[in-house]
Amino acid sequence: GENVEQHPSTLSVQEGDSAVIKCTYSDSASNYFPWYKQELGKGPQLIIDIRSNVGEKKDQRIAVTLNKTAKHFSLHITETQPEDSAVYFCAAKVQGAQKLVFGQGTRLTINP
Amino acid sequence: GAGVSQSPSNKVTEKGKDVELRCDPISGHTALYWYRQRLGQGLEFLIYFQGNSAPDKSGLPSDRFSAERTGESVSTLTIQRTQQEDSAVYLCASSLRNSGDTQYFGPGTRLTVL
Repeated sequence: GENVEQHPSTLSVQEGDSAVIKCTYSDSASNYFPWYKQELGKGPQLIIDIRSNVGEKKDQRIAVTLNKTAKHFSLHITETQPEDSAVYFCAAKVQGAQKLVFGQGTRLTINP
Repeated sequence: GAGVSQSPSNKVTEKGKDVELRCDPISGHTALYWYRQRLGQGLEFLIYFQGNSAPDKSGLPSDRFSAERTGESVSTLTIQRTQQEDSAVYLCASSLRNSGDTQYFGPGTRLTVL
């Protein structure tokens, strides 16, 4: 079945700098890749997603890139702010399947 | 509008007891999912409902776990004879029609088995 690896497990950056989180997936039939942000005591919230027919998607300070050949996708956050501090999860969904397969999460800390 | 809601938010139980966790999806969402999140880890898929039927139960870890959905709305996840390894946050998500649509998560139920 699909397996998603996420790196790094923790990331600390200075406010205003950029943060990059990377994920790899194993099943070439995966075609949907969402990113979720989870704050303490809350459920995951979708922040951006990408489908396999595009290579990049951007929403203000957040962007996601997808390399289908290499089977990896990345989250880029620019001009980081303290409120970006949270745990971020990547996920992948195999075409025809119902479930999301999640990475292990990255704890992002923005230092003021 | 209202998001996915779950109850209770916290549940502490003794080993061997049964527990029921409830999920109210976003109104009109026909697809519903349960996931489990162990401390410091990612989410593990448990079960998927389309309407009131469950075409994918592949993530249920044992026959102590069961779930049902009624009226294409509320879902209940039941864990019988709870064990300490069942301690986790149980998250529910819903999506409009099917798994190709965005999944919106509830706040979760934190289950602690003593």
